[in-house]
Amino acid sequence: QVQLQESGPGLVKPSGTLSLTCAVSGGSISSRNWWSWVRQPPGKGLQWIGDIYHGGSTNYNPSLRSRVTISVDKSRNQFSLTLNSVTAADTAVYYCARVDYYDKRFDPWGQGTLVTVSS
Amino acid sequence: DIQMTQSSSSLSASVGDRVTITCRASQSISSYLNWYQQKPGKAPNLVIYAASSLQSGVPLRFSGSGSGADYTLTISSLEPEDFATYYCQQSYSTPYTFGQGTKLEIK
Repeated sequence: QVQLQESGPGLVKPSGTLSLTCAVSGGSISSRNWWSWVRQPPGKGLQWIGDIYHGGSTNYNPSLRSRVTISVDKSRNQFSLTLNSVTAADTAVYYCARVDYYDKRFDPWGQGTLVTVSS
Repeated sequence: DIQMTQSSSSLSASVGDRVTITCRASQSISSYLNWYQQKPGKAPNLVIYAASSLQSGVPLRFSGSGSGADYTLTISSLEPEDFATYYCQQSYSTPYTFGQGTKLEIK
């Protein structure tokens, strides 16, 4: 059974860079799936950030594209999120999720990690 | 971007009630519609995918229907553990987008 686990700093300074990693266990990141990041500001709804295929192809939300990079490390069976020039508006719980290649269902999800942008 | 609109931001119901949550896309999304349940402090959990397919392990009281731009999630008889927030999501085209959520509360 595939499980995902996010990790990274819980506090980032304004104008700094947010970096998170999602470790995949119980399955291969080179399977026929996309791997996605989704965030949720406190008390608000869900926003899709972007995704990556193990071959390196990516899709990004246009609202974040200029600041986002998603990469994959097949040797470590993990993928990562980098978000530059962060502001308080980027404070959120960040989730990683597996996306089925065919029907595009998001399952499973990681437990999520709260990242706060504050000085 | 495809906009997803859930008809209600909140809904009050009692245990045993039949509840329907509706979701409308700003264009046809050809049944690329998923429903997630989220409880406080937890990650979203997939309930229905491809508009009407029940995710493995999800109780049979959950069902989904719809086509084109209009979709519904139905819970046939509410159980106490069903009180949560439900989100619809289109996976027809990127950027994938979610509805604003419907919080199902105990009456």
